[in-house]
Amino acid sequence: DSGVTQTPKHLITATGQRVTLRCSPRSGDLSVYWYQQSLDQGLQFLIQYYNGEERAKGNILERFSAQQFPDLHSELNLSSLELGDSALYFCASSEEGPPTPGELFFGEGSRLTVL
Amino acid sequence: AQSVTQLDSHVSVSEGTPVLLRCNYSSSYSPSLFWYVQHPNKGLQLLLKYTSAATLVKGINGFEAEFKKSETSFHLTKPSAHMSDAAEYFCVVSPGQSGGSYIPTFGRGTSLIVHP
Repeated sequence: DSGVTQTPKHLITATGQRVTLRCSPRSGDLSVYWYQQSLDQGLQFLIQYYNGEERAKGNILERFSAQQFPDLHSELNLSSLELGDSALYFCASSEEGPPTPGELFFGEGSRLTVL
Repeated sequence: AQSVTQLDSHVSVSEGTPVLLRCNYSSSYSPSLFWYVQHPNKGLQLLLKYTSAATLVKGINGFEAEFKKSETSFHLTKPSAHMSDAAEYFCVVSPGQSGGSYIPTFGRGTSLIVHP
């Protein structure tokens, strides 16, 4: 058990809909990372937060947004969903922040299926 | 800028034989390097990490990796494969404290298949 909790584990929805994925980092970890894993793109970095502030953006679509709350949990919002958004979304946390991340602790992921 | 290339998308071995998963990296600064393992329907778990100490790094479950700066490689090895080693393995590079992007960059992954 990594100590990182992601909900929901599975989500099935329709195109055009909006979903929210939630992540609770390990106790004490200030950094949260979101990754998207799909068969064709591999593991893609989406966005990172450190102690409530956005610190880095990767290949995140404009239809996606995220935030980290004062209690350090994070949410990833996916809107106007398309079939291609179907993927496994991972949250990871680490105790170190910029500029040098330490070990990442991963949740078990949220599997999103868009029909 | 940094990048990581896992040279094999699939590696197939027999149980009890050695494992070699290859990884080459590119980084403008002295990097930290990691190997993670992902079992089916699970999150990623750290196997081992290199952070500029000893170049031969020992990890969990009998895995080890050697950092070779001259070859920009960080290959993962295990003397004897076990059926439970069947999983996806990711090589990861993070920049050192000198700067650059501080986001860990993941390789595309290598699927290790272990035959009985």
